[in-house]
Amino acid sequence: GESVGLHLPTLSVQEGDNSIINCAYSNSASDYFIWYKQESGKGPQFIIDIRSNMDKRQGQRVTVLLNKTVKHLSLQIAATQPGDSAVYFCAEKFNAGNMLTFGGGTRLMVKP
Amino acid sequence: DGGITQSPKYLFRKEGQNVTLSCEQNLNHDAMYWYRQDPGQGLRLIYYSQIVNDFQKGDIAEGYSVSREKKESFPLTVTSAQKNPTAFYLCASSPGLTGELFFGEGSRLTVL
Repeated sequence: GESVGLHLPTLSVQEGDNSIINCAYSNSASDYFIWYKQESGKGPQFIIDIRSNMDKRQGQRVTVLLNKTVKHLSLQIAATQPGDSAVYFCAEKFNAGNMLTFGGGTRLMVKP
Repeated sequence: DGGITQSPKYLFRKEGQNVTLSCEQNLNHDAMYWYRQDPGQGLRLIYYSQIVNDFQKGDIAEGYSVSREKKESFPLTVTSAQKNPTAFYLCASSPGLTGELFFGEGSRLTVL
């Protein structure tokens, strides 16, 4: 799920399948992570967050996994629906007083 | 309802003209931010403000200016010095500098 040049990486899934969106974060000292969803022409919306003292956190149909060893964050969406089609961004915060830093985003396309 | 309101949603500008984008929040948040998003790319920080009458440059502040005269308002002026101003502009706010960001719906600026 890392940005490559000017083109967002795209994940295409069939409706009803599970989706996994990946993000490699930059700083091993990051202690807070957020996933945002951005639909076309709209502002990003909060999906789920996780702190560095956790490996996994579940929400409604979404699960975030954190692997600090390899600095990897993933967002799992169960039973993907057409309404899940959007661009998904991960964001990290490292050290108290620092702001969120956003990753490049991944476009999720759900095929009916 | 509490939230962040950006206006206008769409704006067209001739080259050489300054334009001001409005951002108002009624969430009683201390911190406010402006991001720029180009097609297929992530978010880049232009300016941010932690408190009234104070603001800091982000990663791409050149050609932009802001003011924070009121807690609720953080207008962004795109000046004629900005060489490539056509983009999607997002305003956000948070309770503190390191909190979750709440985004507006964005303003799309096109320079003709």
